[in-house]
Amino acid sequence: GAVVSQHPSRVICKSGTSVKIECRSLDFQATTMFWYRQFPKQSLMLMATSNEGSKATYEQGVEKDKFLINHASLTLSTLTVTSAHPEDSSFYICSARPRGTPTYGYTFGSGTRLTVV
Amino acid sequence: GENVEQHPSTLSVQEGDSAVIKCTYSDSASNYFPWYKQELGKGPQLIIDIRSNVGEKKDQRIAVTLNKTAKHFSLHITETQPEDSAVYFCAASIPQAGTALIFGKGTTLSVSS
Repeated sequence: GAVVSQHPSRVICKSGTSVKIECRSLDFQATTMFWYRQFPKQSLMLMATSNEGSKATYEQGVEKDKFLINHASLTLSTLTVTSAHPEDSSFYICSARPRGTPTYGYTFGSGTRLTVV
Repeated sequence: GENVEQHPSTLSVQEGDSAVIKCTYSDSASNYFPWYKQELGKGPQLIIDIRSNVGEKKDQRIAVTLNKTAKHFSLHITETQPEDSAVYFCAASIPQAGTALIFGKGTTLSVSS
């Protein structure tokens, strides 16, 4: 089945530094990947849609200059949290869908726990 | 855009009882409705899904029903076990390339033995 690998699983960084999170589709190509953020005891909130070879589409209220998304290949999307602050501490999850499949078949990564101190 | 409402937010049942979680959606164009189970510190795991051309789907102890007219769908878990304890999320998506799943707020299910 389709597998999405997300790294790192946990990261602690100092306030003001940047952190990069990788999302890889291991056995399929993904034209589109999705990034979600989940605060404790809350739901998954869509942050942005990452499109291979083009700019990401951000949801309302998500700062595109703070959350940089790069989708340079059909198997890799990265989310960089720039100048991180404690309020950016959250669980970040990526999702991908095999290229060419219809509107179902979303696969999720295992998530990245970001703690900014 | 799509909005998904999920109820209840918490659900406590005794082992062996049934559990039902309900969701409603706003966009009549939505055609895919998955349910995910999430354990603490992990990503969501798909447990069952249903597409708009089907009214009901069952997989062992888990079933999902869909009422397109009323725009609601439900998850049914029978013979619950302690290992069913987790957070469950419903989601919906429209049939357009590049569209993401939109999630409900989640239901924390606790099964006591």
